[in-house]
Amino acid sequence: QKEVEQNSGPLSVPEGAIASLNCTYSDRGSQSFFWYRQYSGKSPELIMFIYSNGDKEDGRFTAQLNKASQYVSLLIRDSQPSDSATYLCAVRGGSNYKLTFGKGTLLTVNP
Amino acid sequence: KAGVTQTPRYLIKTRGQQVTLSCSPISGHRSVSWYQQTPGQGLQFLFEYFSETQRNKGNFPGRFSGRQFSNSRSEMNVSTLELGDSALYLCASSLVRGGHSEQFFGPGTRLTVL
Repeated sequence: QKEVEQNSGPLSVPEGAIASLNCTYSDRGSQSFFWYRQYSGKSPELIMFIYSNGDKEDGRFTAQLNKASQYVSLLIRDSQPSDSATYLCAVRGGSNYKLTFGKGTLLTVNP
Repeated sequence: KAGVTQTPRYLIKTRGQQVTLSCSPISGHRSVSWYQQTPGQGLQFLFEYFSETQRNKGNFPGRFSGRQFSNSRSEMNVSTLELGDSALYLCASSLVRGGHSEQFFGPGTRLTVL
């Protein structure tokens, strides 16, 4: 079983819609969960982090964490064409502090 | 505050050569991690340095090595380059190790091995 898995995509949504990105992880002791956005040819940019069960909102972005289900998601409301990028889920393990990344989900927002 | 900087941004080498990449973390950040990113494998963890000591290591051969200096700047070295080493090498820094510390990436070094 892969340590961090993301829905492989690509995911295509119309402008103004809600984009839902999902991630599951295998290490039950994981402490911290991060979402990065990576535009083509650029490096990953941190957009959200969450540590506690529940929802965390920042502008159009909402991160959701369910530790019992080992599941973390990112919702993007009112999606814009500028949101078109690869979204990477990263999980910090509980024992060695290593940050493990999923393969990413390519999101395309169509005008 | 300046972000993470990496030099050089682009490199072209031939098989068998060696290469050294440099990373300067955000001021005050003491942890530096290195990643290799390829289209097929995604972001793969190479190693992490904190207080000049390697704290974590990924599943890469011994040709990949690194070090951290007292000012937290870090270098990674790849010896005997292979074609498969062509990738984007990313450095990321965080204030401290582990916990809830956020990690910020530099722009990367694009290495091409011919």
